[in-house]
Order: sequence, then C-alpha cells, then structure tokens
Amino acid sequence: AQTVTQSQPEMSVQEAETVTLSCTYDTSESDYYLFWYKQPPSRQMILVIRQEAYKQQNATENRFSVNFQKAAKSFSLKISDSQLGDAAMYFCAYRTLHTDKLIFGTGTRLQVFP
Amino acid sequence: DADVTQTPRNRITKTGKRIMLECSQTKGHDRMYWYRQDPGLGLRLIYYSFDVKDINKGEISDGYSVSRQAQAKFSLSLESAIPNQTALYFCATSDPVAGTYEQYFGPGTRLTVT
Repeated sequence: AQTVTQSQPEMSVQEAETVTLSCTYDTSESDYYLFWYKQPPSRQMILVIRQEAYKQQNATENRFSVNFQKAAKSFSLKISDSQLGDAAMYFCAYRTLHTDKLIFGTGTRLQVFP
Repeated sequence: DADVTQTPRNRITKTGKRIMLECSQTKGHDRMYWYRQDPGLGLRLIYYSFDVKDINKGEISDGYSVSRQAQAKFSLSLESAIPNQTALYFCATSDPVAGTYEQYFGPGTRLTVT
C-alpha cells in the first residue's frame, strides 16, 4: 500500500529565511502525482505546488520549489524568503494515475518568526 | 463566491443523533470526495463519487453514508453519531479531464460529538 511520511511534526523559520519541509513516500507505481497543500488557521486546504513523477524537472511556484528525488522516493518543499503568511500546516500528498485517491502525510506545522 | 461550499461550518451534536453534512460545488466537476481530518493523522478518505450513479467507499467508511443528489451536491451522513467521529470534515472535487489530478477543497466542517 502507498504511504506518505512527513517526519517533521513542527518546523520554524525566521522571516526572510529559507526552510525545507521533508516528505517521503512508498509506492511500487512508476507514474503518479505529488502535491503540497497548505492549511492556514482558516482551515482551507490550498494547493501550493504539484509534481508529475514523469517530469525530471523540479516544479517551482514563485517562492516555493520542490526537490523531487524519484529513486529515493523523496519530495521536499523549499520555501524561500519566508513570510509571516506562510505560517500554516503543510501536507504532502500522493496520487497514482490509476486511482482517484489522495493519500496524505500527517502534516508539518510551520511557524514563521519576525 | 466559493467554488466548493460546505454547510454547516461548525456543528455540535450529541451521541446517537443523526447528522448530515452538505457539500455543493459550482466547478462542474464530476468527481467529489469526503475526507476526515484528525490531529496527527492528516486527511483520510471516507467516500468518493465519480458521478451521480457511482459511489465508492474510502479507507474509513464505517459509520458513514453518502448521497450524491446531483452532479453539484454530495452529502455525508452520520446515522448515529459517536464521540470518536469528532473531527474536521472536508469535501473536495476534481476534474480528470483537466489532467492535473488536483483536488479542490471546501472550507471544512468542524463537527463535535458530545
């Protein structure tokens, strides 16, 4: 069965600094999608970034980028120039092309200090 | 206006009561999902629906039922609520035709069973 592991329950970063959140997953599939979702105190789940497994190039969205290591089954999120508004829970999620289910990690709570 | 709405946003109920959580979407997506979020466990899939006539159980469907009244509406019912069903519940939609496999989430319903 596919699993997603986020080993950092909490992280903190100073404003304007860079932080990396870790995610590993377990699968026997070769084609799949990976996602990072942000959940601020408002509870809304917001998609931050997605990565298709068949793409070697790491996805980037403004200050957010990923380090996708397919062989190592690792999918970390880097937040550059951290802002107070980045404070939230971050969830890593996995989905194969053959099922319609998102499998989530347990989340990492990010605190941003001024 | 929000594309995916959930009612109610918060609900307190007593053990043994029947309760329905409602989800509506204006995105025109065929696929809809119900997730449950518990602290430290991430989001877990309860039920999902590919269209009005196609409903499937997720990993934690026991104690829950669903109804897909129309393409735009997907309701989750707890026939006899129990305290360990206290959680944050999310509805989501997706459009496989778009090819991104992204799921779009509603704002969540916080349910407390006393």
